[in-house]
This record gives sequence, structure tokens and C-alpha cells, in this order.
Amino acid sequence: EPEVTQTPSHQVTQMGQEVILRCVPISNHLYFYWYRQILGQKVEFLVSFYNNEISEKSEIFDDQFSVERPDGSNFTLKIRSTKLEDSAMYFCASRLAGGPYEQYFGPGTRLTVT
Amino acid sequence: AQSVTQPDIHITVSEGASLELRCNYSYGATPYLFWYVQSPGQGLQLLLKYFSGDTLVQGIKGFEAEFKRSQSSFNLRKPSVHWSDAAEYFCAVGARGGGSNYKLTFGKGTLLTVNP
Repeated sequence: EPEVTQTPSHQVTQMGQEVILRCVPISNHLYFYWYRQILGQKVEFLVSFYNNEISEKSEIFDDQFSVERPDGSNFTLKIRSTKLEDSAMYFCASRLAGGPYEQYFGPGTRLTVT
Repeated sequence: AQSVTQPDIHITVSEGASLELRCNYSYGATPYLFWYVQSPGQGLQLLLKYFSGDTLVQGIKGFEAEFKRSQSSFNLRKPSVHWSDAAEYFCAVGARGGGSNYKLTFGKGTLLTVNP
């Protein structure tokens, strides 16, 4: 069964450093999403991406964040200058276009900012 | 803005007992509704979904949920719980954006413990 994959599973970085979180969505999916879950809090929407552009973003998704689909298979989330409060589990999701169709989630990347 | 409330933070049931996890939502239109499950160290797995039509939906692993518009609820049920059902359960509402896009708003989750 096809699944969303994410790398790395755990990343530790120092405050102020740039990080790139990588996701490989399911191959025929065209909508891509990033969500995050700070420890002990709800899963929160960050951004959705379709047709090579951001279709919606939350207030959390400020200028420090960017997303990209650099090739036909990867979808990345970049945090330019990490802060302590960026420490969280980051989930990538994807779904088919049209529909509505359900979103399929990856296993997550745990980001720890020290 | 949409929101989801899961009133029970932690529920403990005995194996073989029935289960109901509560979910209430707030959304201005007919919602898309979902239940996801997360086992330790795993991602979010979709249990079931409601987009439209029949208000009683069947999912994987023997779970079902019923959409009740009058109560703004989407409770998850299972007639007989198995030890492997121990996990955290998240209810979510899909808020529509442009076109067919929607973003998920999650509840805080209910942690299920199953006693042998």
C-alpha cells in the first residue's frame, strides 16, 4: 500500500540554524500539506500546496517558513532560522486532487531546537 | 473559525468492552469529519471519514462513527475493544478553502488504555 514517507525521523539543531524537512507524498497525489504538533498540544495546520504554489497558510507559517516541490517526488519544509518554539513533530500529508478525498499522513519528523 | 472538542483526555476500558469516544465540532457549514489514530512512534492513520450522505460511517478495524448535525457531534464507537486498539485517537474537521482544498483542525486527542 502506498504511503507518505518523511526524513529524517528526528532532527536536532541549534537555534538560528536552517533546517529542511523532507517528505515524499503518495505518487499520484497532488495536494500536499504540513502540520505540526508541539508536545502536549493539538496538531496544527501550517500550509497547503497545490499546482506548485501555496493554496492556504496559517498564521504560524510566517516568513521563516517556506515550502517547495523541488522535483516530481519530494516536498520540503524549510525553516530559515529556527527558534526554540519550533521544536515539534512535523507531519506531512497528501491527497488526491478533486474529491473530496482524505489526507494521508507520514510518520512525522521530530524537530528539537536547542 | 472551526474547532473540535474531545472532552475525554484519557479513557480506560477492559478488553472486549464497548467503546465510545466523543467528539464535538464547531463549523459554519456541513463539515468534513475524520477520525485518526496514532500509535506510539507512528504517524496518523485514518480510521474513517464523513463527507456527505449516510450519517453512519464504517471504518477500518471495526470502528464506526455517527454524524449528528443537531448535536454537532461525530462520536467514534467500537462494539468490542482489542488490546491492540490502545492508542491516541484524534477527531478532526475539514474546513474548506478554495476549490476542493480543505485544511484539518484537530481535537486534543483521547488516549485509550485497554486493560486485559
